[in-house]
Amino acid sequence: GQNIDQPTEMTATEGAIVQINCTYQTSGFNGLFWYQQHAGEAPTFLSYNVLDGLEEKGRFSSFLSRSKGYSYLLLKELQMKDSASYLCAVLDSNYQLIWGAGTKLIIKP
Amino acid sequence: ETGVTQTPRHLVMGMTNKKSLKCEQHLGHNAMYWYKQSAKKPLELMFVYSLEERVENNSVPSRFSPECPNSSHLFLHLHTLQPEDSALYLCASSVGQDNTDTQYFGPGTRLTVL
Repeated sequence: GQNIDQPTEMTATEGAIVQINCTYQTSGFNGLFWYQQHAGEAPTFLSYNVLDGLEEKGRFSSFLSRSKGYSYLLLKELQMKDSASYLCAVLDSNYQLIWGAGTKLIIKP
Repeated sequence: ETGVTQTPRHLVMGMTNKKSLKCEQHLGHNAMYWYKQSAKKPLELMFVYSLEERVENNSVPSRFSPECPNSSHLFLHLHTLQPEDSALYLCASSVGQDNTDTQYFGPGTRLTVL
């Protein structure tokens, strides 16, 4: 079967750095998305990786290793507003989106 | 504000009620989606519409009935639901139905079935 694994919950301190991991086992791979979802709000797009390596967008970076079936989202200089759930989703060989259950990130002052 | 609105934001209904969820996108997209989001579970894709035609139905019970009258509006008609249907129902849209396009989500309708 197809599977996306993410930690259920993580806690980090304001101003610090946190890495949220996502591992996947899917039938094929055509890209990986990260979305951010604040409580009670819409998921919003953060990044899309299809090639190996690190892509940086301001305080957020996303890394992909296709050979390892692994991605991470790196958040730097954490702010209280970064408290949210972070969803990982993979496009399989049929271009179907397979979603993870999300990681709830709690930022403490 | 993502350009996708959903109403109502919260809905409580009994198992014998009939209600409808509404989604509207102001982005000029051609594809629209309904998802179910339950606590600590992955998003479940329910229905996909492309240019007002249903292109995917992921074995959803018939008590959920979608309607797409035009490319900007999507409805989910609900009847004789079960308590396990309580969840957050998210609508999304994208430029095309190709999943490489970014999906833009609405804030969801929090549904509680008593």
